[in-house]
Formats: sequence, C-alpha cells, structure tokens
Amino acid sequence: DQQVKQNSPSLSVQEGRISILNCDYTNSMFDYFLWYKKYPAEGPTFLISISSIKDKNEDGRFTVFLNKSAKHLSLHIVPSQPGDSAVYFCAASYSGAGSYQLTFGKGTKLSVIP
Amino acid sequence: DGGITQSPKYLFRKEGQNVTLSCEQNLNHDAMYWYRQDPGQGLRLIYYSQIVNDFQKGDIAEGYSVSREKKESFPLTVTSAQKNPTAFYLCASSWGGMNEQFFGPGTRLTVL
Repeated sequence: DQQVKQNSPSLSVQEGRISILNCDYTNSMFDYFLWYKKYPAEGPTFLISISSIKDKNEDGRFTVFLNKSAKHLSLHIVPSQPGDSAVYFCAASYSGAGSYQLTFGKGTKLSVIP
Repeated sequence: DGGITQSPKYLFRKEGQNVTLSCEQNLNHDAMYWYRQDPGQGLRLIYYSQIVNDFQKGDIAEGYSVSREKKESFPLTVTSAQKNPTAFYLCASSWGGMNEQFFGPGTRLTVL
C-alpha cells in the first residue's frame, strides 16, 4: 500500500509560468516532508523540506505548501525554467524514536517548454 | 570537496554471482542508506545504518546484505538470492533523524 502518492506521472509547463507538483500521503504519523529533484542516471538532489508545524516554506523560486487536514502537500516553482525539467520526488518521514526512514512517492516528470 | 561517491557507475554481472557496490562519504554523517530505483518507481529502502557496526533492514532487504565497519563506508552486497537484481542503486547519508538525506550518483547494475 503506497503511503506517499504522486498521482501525476508527468506535467508540462511553459517557461516563465508556475509549475505545481502535488503529493498526497496516507500515514498520519508523517510529520516531515521533503522534495527531491532527479535527473536521469543521477542521484536525487534535495530541494526543500517542511515540518508539520508549518504550512508553508519558501526557498527562492521554490515554495512548499502543507495541508495537514487533507494530507496533501504541493511544490510550486515560480517562474519555471527549462533547467527545472526533471523528475520530482516527494518524500515523508516521522519523528518516531529511531526512525530514520524516508518514504518516497513514484515521482512526477516535469517538462518546462521554452 | 565533501560528498558521497559510489563506484562503479555501471556494473555487469552474470546471474548467480554476488556483487558488492561501494559507497563512501566524507560528510561526517552518522547515518547511511541504500535505496533501489526501478523504472517508473520511487526509491525503495533496502538497508540503513545509524551508527558504525549497526544496521537495520528496510522495506526490501531480502537478497541483500550490508556492513558498516567504518563511519565513511557502507557497502551493499547483492547476493544470488535477490530475484530481480537489475536496477539503479542509490546510496545516501544524513546527520540522522529529521534531516535531509544526500545522495550519491548511483550505480546501475545489470545482471545478464
């Protein structure tokens, strides 16, 4: 049973517009969420994270929103650039004792069209 | 330069052979992890280690083994018991707990 779901396998956006990537989770124990960006045949790169005590976190062009009641988070990229084209993974964790695990979604492939 | 290295980038093995994938980090991180990625899938945790000489099974540990004799190193052995070993293997490290994990470049293993 998938605990972290990214229901859109792909997304295409025009350069300069906003990209919105969505992620849903089912485990109410999750309290820390991360977004990673991945190019083919490379390791994922950490983008941004958010703790469940917040509902928004910004870092430059990237903003993550968390809606705990809906068990939903989203990553906004504004403005989108061609170099943003990659696969984006949502991941979740919880602060239980000794818990070091991240649970990943299957990813959304973002294509930014020049 | 601090980072995580994995070697080799590409690895080919015959069916029935064990193979060991290397992972080294110089970030002084306490925790290290091994993930597997298959096409169209997310990353699935194989094993993780919080401290030297200790490690725990992840979601898909069957057919794999690890060791953590040094803080910097966390090699993964893919044994002949692993039924579908062909995949992209990623190593990561972190300070542990609620901190982001940093990933190496990955090793693509193909079993012929």
